[in-house]
Amino acid sequence: DAGITQSPRHKVTETGTPVTLRCHQTENHRYMYWYRQDPGHGLRLIHYSYGVKDTDKGEVSDGYSVSRSKTEDFLLTLESATSSQTSVYFCAISATGTTYEQYFGPGTRLTVT
Amino acid sequence: GENVEQHPSTLSVQEGDSAVIKCTYSDSASNYFPWYKQELGKRPQLIIDIRSNVGEKKDQRIAVTLNKTAKHFSLHITETQPEDSAVYFCAASINGNKLVFGAGTILRVKS
Repeated sequence: DAGITQSPRHKVTETGTPVTLRCHQTENHRYMYWYRQDPGHGLRLIHYSYGVKDTDKGEVSDGYSVSRSKTEDFLLTLESATSSQTSVYFCAISATGTTYEQYFGPGTRLTVT
Repeated sequence: GENVEQHPSTLSVQEGDSAVIKCTYSDSASNYFPWYKQELGKRPQLIIDIRSNVGEKKDQRIAVTLNKTAKHFSLHITETQPEDSAVYFCAASINGNKLVFGAGTILRVKS
């Protein structure tokens, strides 16, 4: 597995609270991604980053924000968690704009009660 | 935007038989098509991918074919084994970013 870790691995939180998930990589890859996985939907892109401080929206970005202040870290924040954001969140990385292959982290299971 | 449809949603095969999973995409500009395998409780693992300048790619028992005209691509697994049992996802993108995934296929290999 590529050097990708996610923290926390499991979290239970209440509706309305802020939550931050962290993705850390040791591969020095330029691109980092956040996906959510829900039954019947496969994986859906939330946000991605193509460099430090450079981010863009994916197909399900509403309710989420991201930040990347260092190459190795990509943070996903739920400003005010809702029950519809209960999901498994995966981070992924890829090396360059021409390499294309994305490798996934172990995932974070988030439950919003 | 891109839309990827994947069929079938579940597939059961006897050990040693072949399995085929098909995906269609909507955006003719898409040029990168990876396949991922996900075991229960694990992360998705890239198993094979193909770019639009290639019609077929093989890696041991796994192959992927691409028909750009019809906008569909398929995963072929030959001589299936119990350890092939997993959920398989196809995806499509333009230049590797913003992967759009299919909904997944549960493959069960019966021994």
